[in-house]
Amino acid sequence: GQNIDQPTEMTATEGAIVQINCTYQTSGFNGLFWYQQHAGEAPTFLSYNVLDGLEEKGRFSSFLSRSKGYSYLLLKELQMKDSASYLCAVMDSNYQLIWGAGTKLIIKP
Amino acid sequence: GAVVSQHPSRVICKSGTSVKIECRSLDFQATTMFWYRQFPKKSLMLMATSNEGSKATYEQGVEKDKFLINHASLTLSTLTVTSAHPEDSSFYICSARDLLGGSTDTQYFGPGTRLTVL
Repeated sequence: GQNIDQPTEMTATEGAIVQINCTYQTSGFNGLFWYQQHAGEAPTFLSYNVLDGLEEKGRFSSFLSRSKGYSYLLLKELQMKDSASYLCAVMDSNYQLIWGAGTKLIIKP
Repeated sequence: GAVVSQHPSRVICKSGTSVKIECRSLDFQATTMFWYRQFPKKSLMLMATSNEGSKATYEQGVEKDKFLINHASLTLSTLTVTSAHPEDSSFYICSARDLLGGSTDTQYFGPGTRLTVL
């Protein structure tokens, strides 16, 4: 079966760095996405990785290792507004998104 | 980035009525749109994939006669919840696939529609 695993909840301190991991097992791979979702809102696109390595976008970076079926989202200089759920999703061979359950990130002052 | 709109953002209706939700891609053409449903504290659940000019493909367990999907143009897909019941109350989100120069195949999400059935 297809499976995406990510931690249910993480807590970090304002100004610090946090890494959210995602492991996957899917039928085929056409890219991995990270989305941010604030409570009551639709997810917003953060990043897309299809090749191995690190993609950096400001305070957010995303890493992919296809051989390990592993990705992480790195958030630096955490701000209170970063408190949200972070969804990992993999596009399978049929170009359908397989979603993880999301990681709820709690930022403390 | 690409913009996807949904209308209405919130709707409250009586049990037994039908509700139509529109999903529009504002600055790109979307041959494929997706409809999701999200329950509280749970991940998105794909309901159906909508391809322009053809019938939607429904996920297992989703009643196609209850959730009618129409994708009549490259910028508009509609989801009609027929004979709505309180258990249909949920957050419905659409997304549209935007092929960006062939290098990225990204889904952009609409803001969502919160449906409450009394």
